[in-house]
Amino acid sequence: EVQLVESGGDLVQPGGSLRLSCAASGFTFSSYWMHWVRQAPGKGLVWVSRIDTDGSSTHYADSVKGRFTISRDNAKNTVYLQMNSLRAEDTAVYYCARGGITFDYWGQGTLVTVSS
Amino acid sequence: DIVMTQSPDSLAVSLGERATINCKSSQSVLYSSNNKNYLAWYQQKPGQPPKLLIYWASTRESGVPDRFSGSGSGTDFTLTISSLQAEDVAVYYCQQHYYTPPAFGQGTKVEIK
Repeated sequence: EVQLVESGGDLVQPGGSLRLSCAASGFTFSSYWMHWVRQAPGKGLVWVSRIDTDGSSTHYADSVKGRFTISRDNAKNTVYLQMNSLRAEDTAVYYCARGGITFDYWGQGTLVTVSS
Repeated sequence: DIVMTQSPDSLAVSLGERATINCKSSQSVLYSSNNKNYLAWYQQKPGQPPKLLIYWASTRESGVPDRFSGSGSGTDFTLTISSLQAEDVAVYYCQQHYYTPPAFGQGTKVEIK
């Protein structure tokens, strides 16, 4: 059974940093692109970032470019999202998703709240 | 960037009746080399992550009831729930995965009338 479990969400002050993790199981992790998608409270889904199978290629939404860094450790079956210079508008539930044909499996999400 | 626009924003349908959601892409998501539309539909129930329902515009994900169907090509797509059930109350999103960045529609909330 495919499972994606996010962790690392927390309350952080504006300008602060946070690292999210997504632990994967039930599939060959190193064969799939992985994505982060976020959802602000009461709002829609917004793609944040993706990483290819070996980490050699990454892409970011313009809203997070230069502040967020996606990475992965295929030995640990884990994808990460390092978030720096956090802003109030980054407040959201962050989901990791497996990149099959499209986002075919999602984790339950982890809540990031940016507030003073 | 590609913009995905859904209509309506919400709809209320009686149990057993048909629900139709439209999705329009600002550019074609049809890839001519394989004749596939890179358009997916997701269902999100309150407090849950999204669930993939349909990909390639019309292919149901494994385990998705056949009352859900997708149609359309190029820039215009439709998700149809042929006979609405109580468990179908949710927000539905379309999403293009042809271009980077992938883009979602704003969502359509489906309720029971």
